[in-house]
Amino acid sequence: EIVMTQSPVTLSVSPGERATLSCRASQSVSSDLAWYQQRPGQAPRLLIYGASIRATGVPAKFSGSGSGTEFTLTISSLQSEDFALYYCQQYNNWPYIFGLGTKLEIK
Amino acid sequence: QVQLQESGPGLVKSSETLSLTCTVSGRSLTSGSYYWSWIRQPPGKALEVIGYIYYTGSTNYNPSMKSRVTISLDTSKNQISLKVRSVTAADTAVYSCARGVVTAAFDIWGQGTMVTVSS
Repeated sequence: EIVMTQSPVTLSVSPGERATLSCRASQSVSSDLAWYQQRPGQAPRLLIYGASIRATGVPAKFSGSGSGTEFTLTISSLQSEDFALYYCQQYNNWPYIFGLGTKLEIK
Repeated sequence: QVQLQESGPGLVKSSETLSLTCTVSGRSLTSGSYYWSWIRQPPGKALEVIGYIYYTGSTNYNPSMKSRVTISLDTSKNQISLKVRSVTAADTAVYSCARGVVTAAFDIWGQGTMVTVSS
């Protein structure tokens, strides 16, 4: 079973700045990597799939990169609604595995 | 637009069967190449994909739960159901249904429903 490791666990960033979140897979998942945003009390929202493709309706401030085992989610010009939990998930190998998440908080 | 809504008991006794339903609105379950999934998140733990059922009816279960889980389709009601047998406190979690796309992970999620297993 693939292990997905997200870092950091908590990231403190000031509004208006950029946040960089990392996700590492224990073995290659090619580009079969998704990122989700979860706000308190809400369902996860798909942001990125295929490691770098924005889902429908996701603004360009969200960008994903990487392949194989190392992936990055970058969020630019942070606004209040961006402070949330972010999960990565691989869908290359069954069972599909989520990381434990990165909490993006206001500095 | 497509919406998913979970329903079922919020409290289940240990050793009994947990049964949940996910009602899909806005699209037929059998239209399009989607896999309809159940995902859970125990308190303080990671999201876990329990399994999925393809629009054709074929299923795939997480090996960690395979012996206790059944996912099925009711196309007449446009619903997906989940049954987890012999539950324990470790099965206490928020259970969500989600639509999976072969090349794009889980693009639509239900709000989730909390299920507590009591002794």
